[in-house]
Amino acid sequence: GAVVSQHPSWVICKSGTSVKIECRSLDFQATTMFWYRQFPKQSLMLMATSNEGSKATYEQGVEKDKFLINHASLTLSTLTVTSAHPEDSSFYICSAQSEAGGSYEQYFGPGTRLTVT
Amino acid sequence: GQNIDQPTEMTATEGAIVQINCTYQTSGFNGLFWYQQHAGEAPTFLSYNVLDGLEEKGRFSSFLSRSKGYSYLLLKELQMKDSASYLCAARNGGFKTIFGAGTRLFVKA
Repeated sequence: GAVVSQHPSWVICKSGTSVKIECRSLDFQATTMFWYRQFPKQSLMLMATSNEGSKATYEQGVEKDKFLINHASLTLSTLTVTSAHPEDSSFYICSAQSEAGGSYEQYFGPGTRLTVT
Repeated sequence: GQNIDQPTEMTATEGAIVQINCTYQTSGFNGLFWYQQHAGEAPTFLSYNVLDGLEEKGRFSSFLSRSKGYSYLLLKELQMKDSASYLCAARNGGFKTIFGAGTRLFVKA
């Protein structure tokens, strides 16, 4: 159990275009999902916390108008990178929080590698 | 502030034991996690400690001392496939998880 999927697994786009990444919890409901970004040889940097039915909470330094997050259901959150630039190229990872039994465990998706040319 | 410190790199020999240390400072505390991450892949969950003491799970064990803000991950009978980054992460009072930069472990034959 506790599987999280991401789509696409990798994407190449041209500078100036927008890219949408989906994060789904397949076998549990997640009120809260997290979006991380990871550059090579660096750790996970939390970008935003996505709460179902409400606005996402963005970390300091993350542009909310550039990284649009929508958490429309208890099993789906999307991250849209708008007007992507080469510096947005990174590994984007989502995680879904399971509140079953009060554990608040985070389960990670497999990640999406974005390359902006 | 909130901070996680762990060594950048470690090298160990196949079959040996290695201990990866982690110190943390968070606003409130709701658990300490260890994750394994192979290059180009997402992290996978290894362990979770919220009470002081040692949690053993097969070849991997994790220890926590809340009073010292300290944890370690112990890997026994090292295998080549254990070469990976190991991320220490602490969950604060607001249930936000703060990740360390990771320790890259190299297992040599």
